[in-house]
Amino acid sequence: DAGVTQSPTHLIKTRGQQVTLRCSPKSGHDTVSWYQQALGQGPQFIFQYYEEEERQRGNFPDRFSGHQFPNYSSELNVNALLLGDSALYLCASSTQGYTDTQYFGPGTRLTVL
Amino acid sequence: QQQVKQSPQSLIVQKGGIPIINCAYENTAFDYFPWYQQFPGKGPALLIAIRPDVSEKKEGRFTISFNKSAKQFSLHIMDSQPGDSATYFCAASKGAQKLVFGQGTRLTINP
Repeated sequence: DAGVTQSPTHLIKTRGQQVTLRCSPKSGHDTVSWYQQALGQGPQFIFQYYEEEERQRGNFPDRFSGHQFPNYSSELNVNALLLGDSALYLCASSTQGYTDTQYFGPGTRLTVL
Repeated sequence: QQQVKQSPQSLIVQKGGIPIINCAYENTAFDYFPWYQQFPGKGPALLIAIRPDVSEKKEGRFTISFNKSAKQFSLHIMDSQPGDSATYFCAASKGAQKLVFGQGTRLTINP
């Protein structure tokens, strides 16, 4: 049973560029949440997708957007990258109405130069 | 009210000792309290979780103690091993909604 997978593993971009990160949830899970983890900090919630809709959003600007596909996989898009967007981006999957447990993927390390 | 405060920031324990990490929360709507372990360059891995209707939960060498009236919970690691050296995060959520994480504790177990 595959766990949560994310791609790519690492990514280097320059300021002003746009980036797309991808996540496949754990088998049987229908909800995907995205978190940003700056170096030495705890993960910060970006948003959560369920039934292809954004259900909750944290304190992140509109430059951060997402999408969930019918197969429950998800994308995180960040436009107009800033140096401060450099972080580990984590995807977590869960099942609505069954368990509150969120399982995390290995993350995508984004470096903005 | 959304904050979860974690302490200490770092902790060094000898092998076999019992490190204790503490967390405090303010939002009484939180009803799910997990602990995650994270190794460098990896995603957080769920260790153990508790709900406020119980005061203690044990899984293997890991124990959560929960004090609902004080709005505090803690992680104890019995018979700690060098392989337990990692960063530990407490978190809280209301149901399956967003997890609010503590700042993390970097734990080192010396052989």
